[in-house]
Amino acid sequence: SQQGEEDPQALSIQEGENATMNCSYKTSINNLQWYRQNSGRGLVHLILIRSNEREKHSGRLRVTLDTSKKSSSLLITASRAADTASYFCATDAGNNAGNMLTFGGGTRLMVKP
Amino acid sequence: NAGVMQNPRHLVRRRGQEARLRCSPMKGHSHVYWYRQLPEEGLKFMVYLQKENIIDESGMPKERFSAEFPKEGPSILRIQQVVRGDSAAYFCASSPFPGLAFHEQYFGPGTRLTVT
Repeated sequence: SQQGEEDPQALSIQEGENATMNCSYKTSINNLQWYRQNSGRGLVHLILIRSNEREKHSGRLRVTLDTSKKSSSLLITASRAADTASYFCATDAGNNAGNMLTFGGGTRLMVKP
Repeated sequence: NAGVMQNPRHLVRRRGQEARLRCSPMKGHSHVYWYRQLPEEGLKFMVYLQKENIIDESGMPKERFSAEFPKEGPSILRIQQVVRGDSAAYFCASSPFPGLAFHEQYFGPGTRLTVT
């Protein structure tokens, strides 16, 4: 599988429920970032977690990072219909040469009102 | 402070024509990245440029694709003799100090290229 692989590929929940998306990667990283993309639109940066951090919060978002397992999770609490979008994790190259991001295939989240 | 600008937002080209995609980074950013997104897939890195320099083009197809970031003006991604498989969304991102490793990349709205 490729670097930054998300699962599940698709997730459908009811408004008010929590949504958890997972991301696995293969190589060492400097940081891991989560992005959101509405259908046919650009990417919106949600949160960046550094390799020496284990958990980070931003509003209804909670991100964890386990470097020993090379995995991260994004939790959206009390979901809303407006959270419907695709969510991507992205890891950097880890070599400080340019920090190009490697994206996973994304999790398509649908929140039903 | 305007965000990353890309134009055009939508571009239709016939097979064999050339496509030019433009990206203006955020003010104060001198590092630009281009990514391609095929339908229902994640973004794939293509090229990383600084002003007047290509730093990493490991994700660029060897033929027909080129990129530049001149001293003045936007970064240009150029696709010559387009084929149907080039149809995708092309995103540009900019960042202030990539070498510090902890800076997010700011993405533009993308250019959706359709080759007919």
